[in-house]
Amino acid sequence: DAGVIQSPRHEVTEMGQEVTLRCKPISGHDYLFWYRQTMMRGLELLIYFNNNVPIDDSGMPEDRFSAKMPNASFSTLKIQPSEPRDSAVYFCASSFSRSRYEQFFGPGTRLTVL
Amino acid sequence: AQKITQTQPGMFVQEKEAVTLDCTYDTSDPSYGLFWYKQPSSGEMIFLIYQGSYDQQNATEGRYSLNFQKARKSANLVISASQLGDSAMYFCAMREGWAAGNKLTFGGGTRVLVKP
Repeated sequence: DAGVIQSPRHEVTEMGQEVTLRCKPISGHDYLFWYRQTMMRGLELLIYFNNNVPIDDSGMPEDRFSAKMPNASFSTLKIQPSEPRDSAVYFCASSFSRSRYEQFFGPGTRLTVL
Repeated sequence: AQKITQTQPGMFVQEKEAVTLDCTYDTSDPSYGLFWYKQPSSGEMIFLIYQGSYDQQNATEGRYSLNFQKARKSANLVISASQLGDSAMYFCAMREGWAAGNKLTFGGGTRVLVKP
């Protein structure tokens, strides 16, 4: 079975540009999470969805960040405009409410904003 | 206050020996779950083991076991017979509440380096 798929794996952009990160969760999973990992702050939850509905976006750092989940198999995290401090690895994870509760992570997108 | 604390930033272990990674947690919710994840240098997050707060026995998954001491609020990971491939960052995480969707709070991680 395919795991969580993220694209792109690496993204290098210039300050001020729009960045869109994409995620395809595991088929059948009803929860989707976006995390950010940096050396300074570790792993932080940005937002999560249940059945495509955003449940908790309290971790979204500011209005420049937005996330959508138009259907059960696709989600995006957008940063507009991007800033150098947004450089990080962004993970998407999914889970199934009737399982053992573990979250399965995608490979991550390494974002560098110059 | 930190909800998940991993006090060991890094440690060395000899190949074939066992290693214990410390994790303490803080919650007032009687229902919670504890997780360990491994992050090798390639960057992916790999789920290792889960312990529920009402589980009577310590969780085990192959060479991984979780030493769950509820009264002390600790959930230490034990890796037996360490292998070179165990070199990685290890994260302890907690979910408060039973719903799978409840968010995970992660500790700062422990870097393990297995020496041949």
